[in-house]
Amino acid sequence: GIQVEQSPPDLILQEGANSTLRCNFSDSVNNLQWFHQNPWGQLINLFYIPSGTKQNGRLSATTVATERYSLLYISSSQTTDSGVYFCAVDGNQGGKLIFGQGTELSVKP
Amino acid sequence: GAVVSQHPSWVICKSGTSVKIECRSLDFQATTMFWYRQFPKQSLMLMATSNEGSKATYEQGVEKDKFLINHASLTLSTLTVTSAHPEDSSFYICSARDRGSGTTDTQYFGPGTRLTVL
Repeated sequence: GIQVEQSPPDLILQEGANSTLRCNFSDSVNNLQWFHQNPWGQLINLFYIPSGTKQNGRLSATTVATERYSLLYISSSQTTDSGVYFCAVDGNQGGKLIFGQGTELSVKP
Repeated sequence: GAVVSQHPSWVICKSGTSVKIECRSLDFQATTMFWYRQFPKQSLMLMATSNEGSKATYEQGVEKDKFLINHASLTLSTLTVTSAHPEDSSFYICSARDRGSGTTDTQYFGPGTRLTVL
């Protein structure tokens, strides 16, 4: 099946810093989503981005489908950005999302 | 945006009992819902796909007789953990796929149910 790898596994930032999270996937996909899991476990949809670039406030994402990777950019990070960021893909499997292992982000004041 | 609810948010039960978890799509219809399990400090693992009006399909290694799934309507899927044991303790999360007008195959996730089996 399709493999999803995220890097880095952990990231510690000072408030105000920028960061880039990466998601590599091993096969073509028809769905790629980025999520933020908050400390209570809720998964928050950030982007649906099987290809192209999107921006939402301080967050933006780019997926280069032909090269099988996606990037999530966080600018001017805030302590509330802390949590685990997951990339998940559907490799033409009827909507089944395969999750990467996540990047645990900690933003210090 | 689309909202998915789960009930209960947490449950503690004795070994051997059964626990039912509900997943509802509140403002859209979902012909397909998915159930995931997450152990501490780990990623989400897909357990099964729940299809409205038909049998669920389970991922390899997931016992269908232990994790009973029913998708009786376009807005409700239930997961029943039968004869629960301590190793079933986990965070169970459902998602629903919104295929409404103009949208893509975005999945929306419920807040999760934390199950502890004593």
